[in-house]
Amino acid sequence: DAGVTQSPTHLIKTRGQHVTLRCSPISGHKSVSWYQQVLGQGPQFIFQYYEKEERGRGNFPDRFSARQFPNYSSELNVNALLLGDSALYLCASSLAQYEQYFGPGTRLTVT
Amino acid sequence: AQSVTQPDIHITVSEGASLELRCNYSYGATPYLFWYVQSPGQGLQLLLKYFSGDTLVQGIKGFEAEFKRSQSSFNLRKPSVHWSDAAEYFCAVGSFSGGYNKLIFGAGTRLAVHP
Repeated sequence: DAGVTQSPTHLIKTRGQHVTLRCSPISGHKSVSWYQQVLGQGPQFIFQYYEKEERGRGNFPDRFSARQFPNYSSELNVNALLLGDSALYLCASSLAQYEQYFGPGTRLTVT
Repeated sequence: AQSVTQPDIHITVSEGASLELRCNYSYGATPYLFWYVQSPGQGLQLLLKYFSGDTLVQGIKGFEAEFKRSQSSFNLRKPSVHWSDAAEYFCAVGSFSGGYNKLIFGAGTRLAVHP
């Protein structure tokens, strides 16, 4: 079975630009969560979507937004990029409460 | 506030030696606890989880963890480490509030294995 997939693998952007990251959950999983992992730290929760609705949001500015599509795939959008947004962005899908399966991540570098 | 502490930032062991990675959590209710492993440049792989029941849980790759409520700990153990176990290990607690659940992670422990 295919696991969680994310695209692109790597991305380099300039400050002030906008970026869109994509995630496809495991087949049958209806919940998708996004996490940001800054180098040397543990992942930090950004969003959770379930059945196309935002269920929860972490302590991130409004420059961060997301959506979930009818096929349960998801996009994470970040506007007005800052140097501090450089990180590994992880997507996780889940079927049962709490048990989350992570994708390989998208490495975003902002210059 | 809910939190996870991994006291050891970096641990080095010899191949074949035993391993214990420490994790302490702060959570008001019965915790759901997880250990994940991350190889360089990779995503997170679930090693094991504790939801309820037997406090000693078995995971993949020969890892086990023991939940100790009195100590608010969930330490990860392996009797004999292999070179391929070198990676970063994250302990996490599941938090449910406001109608959604999320994982709260510790800062991680980087494991190096000497031949």
